[in-house]
Amino acid sequence: KNEVEQSPQNLTAQEGEFITINCSYSVGISALHWLQQHPGGGIVSLFMLSSGKKKHGRLIATINIQEKHSSLHITASHPRDSAVYICAGQIQGAQKLVFGQGTRLTINP
Amino acid sequence: DTAVSQTPKYLVTQMGNDKSIKCEQNLGHDTMYWYKQDSKKFLKIMFSYNNKELIINETVPNRFSPKSPDKAHLNLHINSLELGDSAVYFCASSRKSFYEQYFGPGTRLTVT
Repeated sequence: KNEVEQSPQNLTAQEGEFITINCSYSVGISALHWLQQHPGGGIVSLFMLSSGKKKHGRLIATINIQEKHSSLHITASHPRDSAVYICAGQIQGAQKLVFGQGTRLTINP
Repeated sequence: DTAVSQTPKYLVTQMGNDKSIKCEQNLGHDTMYWYKQDSKKFLKIMFSYNNKELIINETVPNRFSPKSPDKAHLNLHINSLELGDSAVYFCASSRKSFYEQYFGPGTRLTVT
């Protein structure tokens, strides 16, 4: 079993819907990263957080360290949000990143 | 100006050959990384360099060797290429170790 698990693996929604992607991890981490990989292959870092919540535009990331869980939310989703979203945990004290398997999001107009 | 650039974008080569992928960042970052993304799109970190010191070396075959001539460059050399090395390789950089990372466009390596 992977140390970082994402759900769902695939998600299809209609434009305007509220989207939630979940990330659970089984190891101690010092920070969690959310990445976005566009259909063309390019990767963009969305958030890095170690506690609480961060917001950037329509994207919100939350983390609960005690429950070992993070969520990525997209409000008012748009077809341009269609991408693969990847979470990665920075292992505590180990200078190591462990990746989830990614969530493929498709937003239909 | 491209923040993190990689060359080449595509690389097709035969088994047994030796090849290099170059990476440059113009962000003044201290740390650079190499990632491998396999056919199932699973990302795995291979190396990172912080101020020219290797600080991570995952379970990567020693046929792979990172070389950093200066803080702005981290090249990836691969010897005796194997079919299983076919993947997309991403370079990235961050201001400090594991801060927000900026990724290059990727190099698709195909070994025939």
